[in-house]
Amino acid sequence: NAGVMQNPRHLVRRRGQEARLRCSPMKGHSHVYWYRQLPEEGLKFMVYLQKENIIDESGMPKERFSAEFPKEGPSILRIQQVVRGDSAAYFCASSPFEVAAKNIQYFGAGTRLSVL
Amino acid sequence: SQKIEQNSEALNIQEGKTATLTCNYTNYSPAYLQWYRQDPGRGPVFLLLIRENEKEKRKERLKVTFDTTLKQSLFHITASQPADSATYLCALDEGSGNTGKLIFGQGTTLQVKP
Repeated sequence: NAGVMQNPRHLVRRRGQEARLRCSPMKGHSHVYWYRQLPEEGLKFMVYLQKENIIDESGMPKERFSAEFPKEGPSILRIQQVVRGDSAAYFCASSPFEVAAKNIQYFGAGTRLSVL
Repeated sequence: SQKIEQNSEALNIQEGKTATLTCNYTNYSPAYLQWYRQDPGRGPVFLLLIRENEKEKRKERLKVTFDTTLKQSLFHITASQPADSATYLCALDEGSGNTGKLIFGQGTTLQVKP
């Protein structure tokens, strides 16, 4: 059973470029969450998605950031016009559909974004 | 808003001893609380979940307690081993218990010396 797959593992961008981070949830999981971890800080919730729906994006900056989870394919976190402050580790997590089980989230290895 | 506090100082203990990590939350008592392990360069790995009506939960050498009066959870690793060295994160759901939006503490780094 493959776990949550994130790619790329490392991504280097120059200021002003776009960053696209991909996440394939565990098989059978229909909920996807994105978190950001800045150096020396804890994980911060960004967005919660189900297939084709954004459930909660309260943790995501209003500008430059967007997320989607299409009917087919991985979830994408997109950062436009990156700035140095976007440098961080971005983690994706997934959980099953069943309500009782969806409290537990399974994390990918993360994408480390470096903005030069 | 809900906040989680974990001891930011690293915990250094000798192999074979019991490690005890603390997680305090500041606001309403959550429906459940979780503990995760994170190794350098990796994503968090779920360890244990304890519900508000449970006082204690065990899994092999791990034990978690939940005291809603003190607004505190304790995480114990008995007979600790160097392989237990990692950062341990406490997490709870921001809302009434099922929003999916987890709030994490900063984590406590445990170093077990042989």
